[in-house]
Amino acid sequence: EAGVAQSPRYKIIEKRQSVAFWCNPISGHATLYWYQQILGQGPKLLIQFQNNGVVDDSQLPKDRFSAERLKGVDSTLKIQPAKLEDSAVYLCASSFEGSGNTIYFGEGSWLTVV
Amino acid sequence: TQLLEQSPQFLSIQEGENLTVYCNSSSVFSSLQWYRQEPGEGPVLLVTVVTGGEVKKLKRLTFQFGDARKDSSLHITAAQPGDTGLYLCAGAPRGFKTIFGAGTRLFVKA
Repeated sequence: EAGVAQSPRYKIIEKRQSVAFWCNPISGHATLYWYQQILGQGPKLLIQFQNNGVVDDSQLPKDRFSAERLKGVDSTLKIQPAKLEDSAVYLCASSFEGSGNTIYFGEGSWLTVV
Repeated sequence: TQLLEQSPQFLSIQEGENLTVYCNSSSVFSSLQWYRQEPGEGPVLLVTVVTGGEVKKLKRLTFQFGDARKDSSLHITAAQPGDTGLYLCAGAPRGFKTIFGAGTRLFVKA
């Protein structure tokens, strides 16, 4: 079974530029998550989708971050304009009903804002 | 605010030593998960503990869920360099979304 796919793996941008990350979850997983992990910290949930609907986006900085999952499968996370403090790993993850609280993660997209 | 506190934050040991890391909260969890994250990779699930007092073993790793389901521990016997990584605990307090601890960063020297 293929895992959660993310791209790009690495991105370096200047502050005030924009960036987009793509995620394809495990086939059949209805729930998709975007986490932000700053160096030395645990993952922090940015947004959670159930199919193509948003379940939780309470910690998403909506003035600069946006995410969509239009067809209930793959998803895009965008940052515009980027700030220095956005430097982090952006982890996409997915889960299915019946998996309990088990979440399956991708390898992450590493963002450096200079 | 729901928190999962992990300790120690950082641990550097010699190959062959034993160690225990902890995950504590004031909240009750229906289950707790332990993940290991290696440098440059996403977290990978090691185990889920569900029942208070439950003990699960995964080769040299022993996981225990507290009787009150508020805490958990991970014990590694005879640590090896391949055990190096960030160990994260995670869980969903009743009625809330899954949260992660800040992790214990383990370095095992050969």
